[in-house]
Amino acid sequence: EPEVTQTPSHQVTQMGQEVILRCVPISNHLYFYWYRQILGQKVEFLVSFYNNEISEKSEIFDDQFSVERPDGSNFTLKIRSTKLEDSAMYFCASGQGSPDTQYFGPGTRLTVL
Amino acid sequence: AQTVTQSQPEMSVQEAETVTLSCTYDTSENNYYLFWYKQPPSRQMILVIRQEAYKQQNATENRFSVNFQKAAKSFSLKISDSQLGDTAMYFCAFMKHEIGADGLTFGKGTHLIIQP
Repeated sequence: EPEVTQTPSHQVTQMGQEVILRCVPISNHLYFYWYRQILGQKVEFLVSFYNNEISEKSEIFDDQFSVERPDGSNFTLKIRSTKLEDSAMYFCASGQGSPDTQYFGPGTRLTVL
Repeated sequence: AQTVTQSQPEMSVQEAETVTLSCTYDTSENNYYLFWYKQPPSRQMILVIRQEAYKQQNATENRFSVNFQKAAKSFSLKISDSQLGDTAMYFCAFMKHEIGADGLTFGKGTHLIIQP
C-alpha cells in the first residue's frame, strides 16, 4: 500500500540554523500539507500546497517558513532561522483531492538546541 | 473558525470491552468532514474513520463506528471488542468542505489505554 515518507526521522539543530524537512507524498496525490505537533499538545495545521502554490496557511506559518516542491516527488518544509519553540514533530500529509482524506507520514522530530 | 473539543484526556478499559470516545465541535459551516485519527506510541498518525456531514448514516470500519449527531455537533467514536493494539492517542479532526481550504483542525486528543 502506498504511503507518505519523511526524512530525516529525527533532526537536531542549533538555534538560528536553517533546516529542511523532506517528504515524499503518495505518488498520485495532488494536495500536500504540513502539520506540527509540539510535545504533549495537539496537531496544528501549518500550510497546504497545490499546483506549486500555497493554497492555505495558518498564522503559525510566518516568514521563517517556506514550502517547495522542487521536483516531481519531493515536498519540503524549510525553517529559515530556527528557534527553541520550533522543537516539535512535523508531519507531512497528502491527499488525492480537496477536500478529501489526508494521509500522514511518520513525522520528523525536530529538536532545536 | 472551527474548534474541536475532546473532553476526556485519558480513558482506560479492559481488553474486549467497548469504549466510546467523545468529540464535540463548533462551526458555522453546513458541509464538512469529520475524522478520527489514531496516534500510537510511534507517533504516526493513522486514519481510523471518516464521516461526511451530508450523510445521515453513521460511518463504520470493522470494530470502529461513529455516532454523528449534526444538530448537537457531536461525533463520538465507539471501539468494540477493544484490543491491546488499540492503545494510542485518538484525535478528532474537522475539515471544511471547501477546495483549497481543507487544513484539518484537531482536538487535544484522548489517551486510550487498553488493559490486559
